[in-house]
Amino acid sequence: GENVEQHPSTLSVQEGDSAVIKCTYSDSASNYFPWYKQELGKRPQLIIDIRSNVGEKKDQRIAVTLNKTAKHFSLHITETQPEDSAVYFCAASMAYTDKLIFGTGTRLQVFP
Amino acid sequence: GAVVSQHPSWVICKSGTSVKIECRSLDFQATTMFWYRQFPKQSLMLMATSNEGSKATYEQGVEKDKFLINHASLTLSTLTVTSAHPEDSSFYICSARDPFGTGSVGVHEQYFGPGTRLTVT
Repeated sequence: GENVEQHPSTLSVQEGDSAVIKCTYSDSASNYFPWYKQELGKRPQLIIDIRSNVGEKKDQRIAVTLNKTAKHFSLHITETQPEDSAVYFCAASMAYTDKLIFGTGTRLQVFP
Repeated sequence: GAVVSQHPSWVICKSGTSVKIECRSLDFQATTMFWYRQFPKQSLMLMATSNEGSKATYEQGVEKDKFLINHASLTLSTLTVTSAHPEDSSFYICSARDPFGTGSVGVHEQYFGPGTRLTVT
């Protein structure tokens, strides 16, 4: 089955700096890669996603890149703000099951 | 966007009792729903896939007789934790797939419920 690894587990940055979180997946059949932000005790919120036919996607300060050959995908947050502090999860999904397999999570702390 | 609700938001029960958690899609029909469990400071672990009108598909290591799933309508799936024990205490989250969501063929965004915090004493 699919396995998703995520690094780093914790990330601390100064406000205004960039943050990068990386994930690798194992199943080449996976073709949908969402990123979620989760605040304590809350549901995961989709912040950006990418399909396997796209290499990069950007939405304001957030971008995701996908390298299908290497089975890597990354989340990039620029100009970080204290409100970006949360736990971020990557996930991978196969088209014919739609099951989401989550990475282990990254706790991002943005210091003012 | 699509809305998924869960009830209750939190529940405390005694060891040995059963607890039912409901997951509802409020403004769309969900043929497939998913149940996840999340322990403190850990990731979401998929427990099972709930399909309307058929048996749920459980992930490896999840006891189907302990975690009963029923998806009797296109807007409601229920998870019943039977004979609950303290180790079952966790945050249970459901998600629903919108079959008319955007995306390429066969790939649909999932909408998450707010979660149910279960504490077994």
